[in-house]
Amino acid sequence: DAMVIQNPRYQVTQFGKPVTLSCSQTLNHNVMYWYQQKSSQAPKLLFHYYDKDFNNEADTPDNFQSRRPNTSFCFLDIRSPGLGDAAMYLCATSRDHVETQYFGPGTRLLVL
Amino acid sequence: GNSVTQMEGPVTLSEEAFLTINCTYTATGYPSLFWYVQYPGEGLQLLLKATKADDKGSNKGFEATYRKETTSFHLEKGSVQVSDSAVYFCALKAGGTSYGKLTFGQGTILTVHP
Repeated sequence: DAMVIQNPRYQVTQFGKPVTLSCSQTLNHNVMYWYQQKSSQAPKLLFHYYDKDFNNEADTPDNFQSRRPNTSFCFLDIRSPGLGDAAMYLCATSRDHVETQYFGPGTRLLVL
Repeated sequence: GNSVTQMEGPVTLSEEAFLTINCTYTATGYPSLFWYVQYPGEGLQLLLKATKADDKGSNKGFEATYRKETTSFHLEKGSVQVSDSAVYFCALKAGGTSYGKLTFGQGTILTVHP
């Protein structure tokens, strides 16, 4: 089945230690999104790629970066995680901006 | 700006009860509307959607009708099951140049007891 895969499902990191979360897709979709979802809150868009074009949300902290080396993979890099960055990170894809977004299972990040 | 307001939860029902979760929105233009469901510890799954006024989205016994006159997209199910226990998010995607950004409501926790 075509799908959105996120690895790892759970990630523990130390305060200030860089961490990378991974997302891959077999849907061959052009657009890939990263959302942050804190406990009991709605998902919040951090940024997205349309093909190779990167689009950052205005209020996304500089601490968050992203890479998309090819159509299938997209990475979320947190350069210096703080305690406030503990959250579920959701990757989503869509064929284009108009089409429905399909979400991966998420990576839960814990910062110690 | 765009926004989505959901009824506050949590909602607790007995099995086979009727479910309504209210959702209203504010948006420019003609947005597409979605309901996503999130089971404990998992990501979001698309439950249903509607892309224009008077469209009815349906899936797994859930339904929602896009009402432009009342700017609403209420989720309903005639008979809930224990397995429907989850968090439900209403969301909109505005048209135009907003590049497909989803705006979510706060989510409604549903618990169904046997």
